[in-house]
Amino acid sequence: EAGVAQSPRYKIIEKRQSVAFWCNPISGHATLYWYQQILGQGPKLLIQFQNNGVVDDSQLPKDRFSAERLKGVDSTLKIQPAKLEDSAVYLCASSLYSLAGTGEQYFGPGTRLTVT
Amino acid sequence: AQSVTQPDIHITVSEGASLELRCNYSYGATPYLFWYVQSPGQGLQLLLKYFSGDTLVQGIKGFEAEFKRSQSSFNLRKPSVHWSDAAEYFCAVGATDSWGKFQFGAGTQVVVTP
Repeated sequence: EAGVAQSPRYKIIEKRQSVAFWCNPISGHATLYWYQQILGQGPKLLIQFQNNGVVDDSQLPKDRFSAERLKGVDSTLKIQPAKLEDSAVYLCASSLYSLAGTGEQYFGPGTRLTVT
Repeated sequence: AQSVTQPDIHITVSEGASLELRCNYSYGATPYLFWYVQSPGQGLQLLLKYFSGDTLVQGIKGFEAEFKRSQSSFNLRKPSVHWSDAAEYFCAVGATDSWGKFQFGAGTQVVVTP
């Protein structure tokens, strides 16, 4: 079974530029998550999708971050414009079903973003 | 809202010695509890999870964890550490009244010395 795929693996941009990350979850997984992991911290949930609907985006900085999962499969996370404090690893995860937090999450390798 | 604390930022252990990583949570009801491991440059991998039942949970790679409700703890243990166990370990708590909302701890970095 193929795992969660993410691209690119690394990205370096200047502040005020835009960037997009792509995630393809495990086939059949209805729930998809985007996390931000700043160096030295645990992952912080940015947004959670159930199929193509948003379940939780309470920690997503909506003035600059956006995410979509149009067909309920792969997803894109965008930052526009980027700030220095956005430098982090962006992790995508998926799970079969996540009612009441029971779904085991499978993580991709992440995208390391450096904003200069 | 739930929260999780990992008191130890960094632990150094000799190969072959035992390891215990601490995790304390705050939540009004019985939470779902998880331990994940992250090797350098890798995504997170689930070691074990606790939902209900037996409070001693066995996981992969020889790890186990014990849920202690009275202490609001879910400590991770391994009797004999291997050099390949050097990694960062994250405890996470999921609320039973939400849709898979996870709160991760800040992590504990484990260094294994020869």
